[in-house]
Amino acid sequence: NAGVTQTPKFQVLKTGQSMTLQCAQDMNHEYMSWYRQDPGMGLRLIHYSVGAGITDQGEVPNGYNVSRSTTEDFPLRLLSAAPSQTSVYFCASRPGQTTDTQYFGPGTRLTVL
Amino acid sequence: GENVEQHPSTLSVQEGDSAVIKCTYSDSASNYFPWYKQELGKRPQLIIDIRSNVGEKKDQRIAVTLNKTAKHFSLHITETQPEDSAVYFCAASKGGSYIPTFGRGTSLIVHP
Repeated sequence: NAGVTQTPKFQVLKTGQSMTLQCAQDMNHEYMSWYRQDPGMGLRLIHYSVGAGITDQGEVPNGYNVSRSTTEDFPLRLLSAAPSQTSVYFCASRPGQTTDTQYFGPGTRLTVL
Repeated sequence: GENVEQHPSTLSVQEGDSAVIKCTYSDSASNYFPWYKQELGKRPQLIIDIRSNVGEKKDQRIAVTLNKTAKHFSLHITETQPEDSAVYFCAASKGGSYIPTFGRGTSLIVHP
């Protein structure tokens, strides 16, 4: 199993550009989440999904959209990038409601100029 | 929602010393408390977790204690080694369909 994968590893955007951060897992996990990590701020939840077709907002959802059309994929979309979205983004998955352990992807480092 | 406070933000110790990182949580319904280790440039990885029906859990040099009454839990690392240097995150969750809330992290530096 590849586990949780994320692409790209690094990305530089200009203010106002749009892009999609990709996240995929091959473990048939029901739950998937997106976090952003900023210095001194820990891991803050952006959006999460408890199954295909079901998504919900986390602590810091503004400026981000998600969808979950398949169990495997959970892309994060930035519609109009802002410098405040410069961060490291982590995707995570866990098997389901009865298992609490989360598995993180390798992260995407995004810089918005 | 849940609020998790983590202290200290930075901890510097000599190799062989013990290190303690403390977290408090606000929601008395939380019942699952994982700890993650993140090495520089890497992803967070679970190192130990504890549930509210247990007061202490050990795994070799690391241990976690939980005080439900005071709503705080701690990570203890004994005989620290340079490879323990990393950022450590605590988290709290009500389990089930709930997503954990993370603390802000502690940067542990172990000097040889």
